Amino acid sequence: DVKVTQSSRYLVKRTGEKVFLECVQDMDHENMFWYRQDPGLGLRLIYFSYDVKMKEKGDIPEGYSVSREKKERFSLILESASTNQTSMYLCASSLGYGAGTDTQYFGPGTRLTVL
Amino acid sequence: AQTVTQSQPEMSVQEAETVTLSCTYDTSESDYYLFWYKQPPSRQMILVIRQEAYKQQNATENRFSVNFQKAAKSFSLKISDSQLGDAAMYFCAYGRYSGGGADGLTFGKGTHLIIQP
Repeated sequence: DVKVTQSSRYLVKRTGEKVFLECVQDMDHENMFWYRQDPGLGLRLIYFSYDVKMKEKGDIPEGYSVSREKKERFSLILESASTNQTSMYLCASSLGYGAGTDTQYFGPGTRLTVL
Repeated sequence: AQTVTQSQPEMSVQEAETVTLSCTYDTSESDYYLFWYKQPPSRQMILVIRQEAYKQQNATENRFSVNFQKAAKSFSLKISDSQLGDAAMYFCAYGRYSGGGADGLTFGKGTHLIIQP
């Protein structure tokens, strides 16, 4: 079974703090993704990565950055957290081999509250 | 840009009955993938079913089936013999066809499915 884990289920931070959200997958997947989930808005793509050290902006990258130094790990960074970044953050990964869009496997999510 | 619309914020069904969740999407592309994901309360998002746009045959997974109407850009999910464990948020998602699948998905806003015992 594919396993995607996220470092924290719940996180509380102060405005202006630098925040790191970590995601690890154990299936040698090429692609990794960060989404945020807000009630009534569904999931929105923040960033994704198709290879180590490679990253692409999603639909809502402002206020976020990412890092992928190792294939299995994809970090989301909030350089200076703000209250409007209070949300559920979901990490996902997909195999990346072969044509077509691969099924994405999701982690349990991190519920971040910025005070 | 692609958009995905789920017009039913909430649906309720009696246990053992059948329910259909609606999804429409907008795209100018001819090759793509469509997904239904399920997110139980406080639990992980999991794939329910997946459909390749080039396949005319509707996908089926046990009690879950889709009605894919490509010309109408419609992708509804039918759940037969509903069970209490089916209670969850259901998200419809669109995936662009790209080599290696290195593209994010576009999600609808979700439908909250309630199962009445």
